Amino acid sequence: GDSVTQTEGLVTVTEGLPVMLNCTYQTAYSDVAFFWYVQYLNEAPKLLLRSSTDNKRTEHQGFHATLHKSSSSFHLQKSSVQLSDSALYYCAPGASGYNKLTFGKGTVLLVSP
Amino acid sequence: EAAVTQSPRNKVAVTGGKVTLSCNQTNNHNNMYWYRQDTGHGLRLIHYSYGAGSTEKGDIPDGYKASRPSQENFSLILELATPSQTSVYFCASGDGGTGGDTQYFGPGTRLLVL
Repeated sequence: GDSVTQTEGLVTVTEGLPVMLNCTYQTAYSDVAFFWYVQYLNEAPKLLLRSSTDNKRTEHQGFHATLHKSSSSFHLQKSSVQLSDSALYYCAPGASGYNKLTFGKGTVLLVSP
Repeated sequence: EAAVTQSPRNKVAVTGGKVTLSCNQTNNHNNMYWYRQDTGHGLRLIHYSYGAGSTEKGDIPDGYKASRPSQENFSLILELATPSQTSVYFCASGDGGTGGDTQYFGPGTRLLVL
């Protein structure tokens, strides 16, 4: 079945430095969309990025990700993190012919001063 | 902005009791979802619906039922609540995008089963 693997647990980064959160997936489907969701403390998850185009960079709120179907990856990156980026991040591939998503276990990003 | 609301926001239940969690959306989306969130497990899909009158089992449906009486409303029912169902529950509506919904989440319900 479909599965997604994210950088697990906690990632701690000093403010102003870059970060990459890994996401790799296995899917039987070719025509799928990929998502990154962000969840701030005591809030609901919300969409950060969405992409369905191979090798195209997608950006939002200073974060970017490029879908690479050849390596089954959709890593999330930011060149200079801020304290306000501290949150739980989920990677989630879709499924062709279905609308539901498969969420990874999530990665907590903690940005320290 | 379109909204997904959930009620109650907090619930304490007794083991063996019946619990109903409600979700309402004004997005006019056909698709709705129920997830639970637990540390170490992320978001896990319990039930989902593609429209009024339909429900489908997600990845962890045991111990849960769902009801979709209308486009706007989607309920999650725990007939016999157990302590293992203590969790945070999120409802979401989805826009039916090709290859996967963009999903819009409600604020969540914290359920404690004693």
